[in-house]
This record gives sequence, C-alpha cells and structure tokens, in this order.
Amino acid sequence: DGGITQSPKYLFRKEGQNVTLSCEQNLNHDAMYWYRQDPGQGLRLIYYSQIVNDFQKGDIAEGYSVSREKKESFPLTVTSAQKNPTAFYLCASSIVRSISYNEQFFGPGTRLTVL
Amino acid sequence: QKEVEQNSGPLSVPEGAIASLNCTYSDRGSQSFFWYRQYSGKSPELIMFIYSNGDKEDGRFTAQLNKASQYVSLLIRDSQPSDSATYLCAVNRPTGGGNKLTFGTGTQLKVEL
Repeated sequence: DGGITQSPKYLFRKEGQNVTLSCEQNLNHDAMYWYRQDPGQGLRLIYYSQIVNDFQKGDIAEGYSVSREKKESFPLTVTSAQKNPTAFYLCASSIVRSISYNEQFFGPGTRLTVL
Repeated sequence: QKEVEQNSGPLSVPEGAIASLNCTYSDRGSQSFFWYRQYSGKSPELIMFIYSNGDKEDGRFTAQLNKASQYVSLLIRDSQPSDSATYLCAVNRPTGGGNKLTFGTGTQLKVEL
C-alpha cells in the first residue's frame, strides 16, 4: 500500500526542547518537502530535498534542520531556536520529472503544540 | 503583491450549482499550476493540475489557465455538500535548486443544501 506516512500525529513539546518529526514514503519519489501551515494561512516551505544527501532551505528554514540519508525518509527537527513552533507540519513528495512539473503528494501531517 | 492570491471566502453555493474558484499569480515564469482540496484538520489532496493555456476537465472539475492574464481557476460542477472544503491554489516556480511550489492562502467553499 503506497503512500506517505508521518508520525506522530500529535506532538507536544516543552519550551527549549528539540523534537523530530518523521516522514517516510514508499512511492519511490525522488523529492521530498516539509511545509508548515498556520491557521488561516497557506503552506510555507521549510526545507526540500531533490536527491539523497542533498537538501535546500525553503522560505522559513530558521530554527529547523533536516537530513536525507535515505530516499524514503526525510525527518525534520524543530529546534529550540524556532520561536513559534506551534503549527501543522506537512511532508510531501514528488517525482522529479522535469524542471516544470512538480505534482506533490502530502502525508497526513503532524500537529505540534508547544506547552 | 503576494506571489499567489486567492479570495479567502467563504464562497457559498447551493447544492447542484457551479462553484468558481479563482487564483492569480505574479511570476510570469511560472509553468505549472495545481489545485488542492483540504478538509478541516486534514492534509491537502491534489485534485487537478494544468500546464497549458485553456481548459482541462476531470469529472466534475475543470481547471482553466490564462498565462497572459496570470490567472488560473477551478470550476466545480454539480456541487455537493462533500465539496465543502478549503481549496488551495499552488504555482510551480522552477529555481536553480529545483522545483518549488508557492501556495495561496486558500478559498473556503461551502455547499449548502
């Protein structure tokens, strides 16, 4: 059963703690992405990776870190440097067919709350 | 000016009517355009994409693209209560580092019985 999985579904963090959000896909997609969504706002790109062992900063990378050691996995760490981390975090993946086309498919998301 | 703009709504239509959702974008270099549906508390689901000027139909959905006017729209025919959701427009912006999507803030659609 192909798809994108994210865990956990809900996550609670105390201030000053680092937390890691998991994202796994078995679609054999090359590219993976992390977005953040705040209430009433669109999705904002945090980090993305087109190939293994390579990733680029998105529009709001400060306070976040990622790794891409395997094609299937793209974990996101929310560090204590992220001042307002409470949000809905979405992982996506896509086939890299060409520079023009980029159909992204999303996982179910992780809702992070800072206590 | 925002890169991708949508009217936040809510857009209310009666069941069975045509819902028309609109999106404008600022980057003339944008080459592909996507519509996602997002139910409350859920993740976005891709419902349509379009690359060329004109119309593209898929079941009750039609995407329309006019690159000269930098305008993309989504029509939903025979609207059903299950279509009630937020619809996100996304635009692909090729960069040296790869493909990136820019999302609008979404239009909330309510289909009323």
